[in-house]
Amino acid sequence: SQELEQSPQSLIVQEGKNLTINCTSSKTLYGLYWYKQKYGEGLIFLMMLQKGGEEKSHEKITAKLDEKKQQSSLHITASQPSHAGIYLCGADDAGNNRKLIWGLGTSLAVNP
Amino acid sequence: DSGVTQTPKHLITATGQRVTLRCSPRSGDLSVYWYQQSLDQGLQFLIQYYNGEERAKGNILERFSAQQFPDLHSELNLSSLELGDSALYFCASSLVLGRQYFGPGTRLTVL
Repeated sequence: SQELEQSPQSLIVQEGKNLTINCTSSKTLYGLYWYKQKYGEGLIFLMMLQKGGEEKSHEKITAKLDEKKQQSSLHITASQPSHAGIYLCGADDAGNNRKLIWGLGTSLAVNP
Repeated sequence: DSGVTQTPKHLITATGQRVTLRCSPRSGDLSVYWYQQSLDQGLQFLIQYYNGEERAKGNILERFSAQQFPDLHSELNLSSLELGDSALYFCASSLVLGRQYFGPGTRLTVL
């Protein structure tokens, strides 16, 4: 079955620094979603990527899907304390988009 | 605010008991998804309903069941609870396949 691996598992950065989180799939990604979760709260949608080579940005967050559609990266520029939380990638399960599978998440802390 | 509501916010119960979690989807959304999130297993898809019918099943235990009612709200029933069932349970909804809107979750603690 398809699996998503996120790296790093956790990250601590100084405010103002850039950072990248990766999400790698064992199979071709047909739809890749990035969500952010504050500890103990619900997930907030960030971006969805579908096409190989696609790149989307929102404020200081940029997400990319590689050409082979097996890896996505989330890049945060000039991080702020408000970026802290858990970032999860989710993907349509090998084309069966009635189900989403999820990475275990990357925990981000931003020190002021 | 995603527009998805879940009740209760917290639930503390004992092993062997049965509980019901409730979810109201965003207005207009026909699909409801249930997830379980624990520290060791991450976010696990349990089950999906679309307009009252079961559409997809994930890692849902036989002790768990769900349904979606004509008004589109959904309930997740957890029975014969075990310590390992302690987790955050999320409901999400969507109009079409793709982006899901998540509720705030119900934190279940089984003692």
